[in-house]
Amino acid sequence: SAVISQKPSRDICQRGTSLTIQCQVDSQVTMMFWYRQQPGQSLTLIATANQGSEATYESGFVIDKFPISRPNLTFSTLTVSNMSPEDSSIYLCSVVGVAGELFFGEGSRLTVL
Amino acid sequence: SQQGEEDPQALSIQEGENATMNCSYKTSINNLQWYRQNSGRGLVHLILIRSNEREKHSGRLRVTLDTSKKSSSLLITASRAADTASYFCATDAGFQKLVFGTGTRLLVSP
Repeated sequence: SAVISQKPSRDICQRGTSLTIQCQVDSQVTMMFWYRQQPGQSLTLIATANQGSEATYESGFVIDKFPISRPNLTFSTLTVSNMSPEDSSIYLCSVVGVAGELFFGEGSRLTVL
Repeated sequence: SQQGEEDPQALSIQEGENATMNCSYKTSINNLQWYRQNSGRGLVHLILIRSNEREKHSGRLRVTLDTSKKSSSLLITASRAADTASYFCATDAGFQKLVFGTGTRLLVSP
């Protein structure tokens, strides 16, 4: 299993600002995934972050809005840029276990006013 | 959308009863997984069933998979108040990217 720490756990932000979410894993992993969970909804994959290469974004998500860094094999950041109330969500990072299961951080609950 | 559908959307039962949740999906899969989420926190992996398996057990959990019908079910036996959570199925169609279902909110009353 993997232990994943996310910061911040929650934040309230003003429209038009940006927030960076950090994700720290207790072991080295090749791929890290960033998910978004809008209020009352399921999870949607934003992007896959590989160390040493550009993140791969899913349809509907773009780098200018959600820039991702992956400086090493245990850390990644997701920035939510130029926020609007529609960005209010829980953002979760995750890594893959040996059997193909995902381990998640506790999530970062973002409220945009 | 590739997202799977779960039913029921919400389920309310008494402690000791069994809870059954169903998941339908749209594409061919390598495996199907079930997760639990407590109060909007991080998800916890419960069980993984591969496409060549039909049934799997883990403690009080029983999962079935019918690839011909593209459906799965999760049975929680002898439920407890601590089982109150949202439950999501997720399908792995390749490249380790999971597509999550719509979720079932389970409420177990003492």
